[in-house]
Formats: sequence, C-alpha cells, structure tokens
Amino acid sequence: DAGVTQSPTHLIKTRGQHVTLRCSPISGHKSVSWYQQVLGQGPQFIFQYYEKEERGRGNFPDRFSARQFPNYSSELNVNALLLGDSALYLCASSSLIAGSSYEQYFGPGTRLTVT
Amino acid sequence: EDQVTQSPEALRLQEGESSSLNCSYTVSGLRGLFWYRQDPGKGPEFLFTLYSAGEEKEKERLKATLTKKESFLHITAPKPEDSATYLCAAMTTDSWGKLQFGAGTQVVVTP
Repeated sequence: DAGVTQSPTHLIKTRGQHVTLRCSPISGHKSVSWYQQVLGQGPQFIFQYYEKEERGRGNFPDRFSARQFPNYSSELNVNALLLGDSALYLCASSSLIAGSSYEQYFGPGTRLTVT
Repeated sequence: EDQVTQSPEALRLQEGESSSLNCSYTVSGLRGLFWYRQDPGKGPEFLFTLYSAGEEKEKERLKATLTKKESFLHITAPKPEDSATYLCAAMTTDSWGKLQFGAGTQVVVTP
C-alpha cells in the first residue's frame, strides 16, 4: 500500500508570494494533520482536518490556511511568504476510527525555501 | 503550558554500546506518547505509541518505556544504521490530532 504522498518535493519562492502544498493520505485514512519543521527543531503543529472539517489549529498566523477534499487529500496554503516560512512542511495521516490507535504516519515532506 | 523535553540533544555511540534517550513531558492530560525516527531531509518514521504508565514496547534493538512523567527509548547494541534523530511527541486528552514534539536527540553510531 502507498504511504502518505506530498508534492512538490522542493519549492523555491520569493518573499510576498503565495504557495500551495499538497498531501494524499494513506488509503482509508480520514484525518490529515500539517506540521512545520524548522532545521534543528521538532515539528510544530499547524492544522488538523478530519472528515473535511478543521478540528485543530496551532499557533500560526492567518496567512496559513488549509482545506480537505472529499477524497481526503489536503492542501496547505501560505500567503505573503516571509523568510521565516522556510522549513520542511510535513503532512501526517491517521485513521482515527473509534477504538483504534491515534498513530500518525508522515509523508516525506515539502522543503520550502523563501528568498 | 504543555511541554515536551528531550535529552541529551546529541549522543555519539560506538557500535554495540547500549544507551538510553529521555523524553520528559508536562501536559494537562496524556492521551499517548509517540516515538519517531527521522533521517536527514525525510519525514518522521513511526516507531511506538505508549498509552499508560508501565507500558513497554520493543522493536528490534529499540525498547520504549513510559512512566507518569517521562519516557525512555533504550537502544541495545546499536548498529551504524541506527544513526538518526529520535523524536518523541505527546498527544493530550483534549486533542486527538495534534502531536507536541520535543526537539529530538541526534544519535550517531560509529563502527
């Protein structure tokens, strides 16, 4: 079975531009969470979506937004990019079926560089 | 404020030299404690979930344990391929989609 997939792998943008990152969860998983990982730190939670609704939001500005589609894939959008947005953006999926575990499985990430 | 702290920041081991990594957590209520392995430039790879104090899980040379305040990841007789950053993360009872990560322990195993 395919794992979590993310696209693109790498991206270079200029300050002030907008970016869209994409994620496809493991087949059968209905929950997608997004994280930002700056070099040398652990991942920081941005959003969680479950059944196409936002279920959690981390401490990130309104420039960050996301959505989940009927097929459970997800997009993360970042507007007005800043140099500090340069990071590895990770998507994680989980099944969250009642009585199951809460394990999250991560994709390979999208490396965003803002110049 | 919820907090997850890992120590040491870095660990250099000789092949075969066993050691332990520490993850201490201060959270309002723990739903689960997760361990991941991350190779440079890649996404974290799931290792273990622990749900209650006293629980232990093993996988090859790795063993994770949980108490009410901390978790340990024991690496027994490590090999060079165990070199990676090991991350722990807490999920609290008021959230089932958010993992709060520590900064990680970078482990290097030399032949």
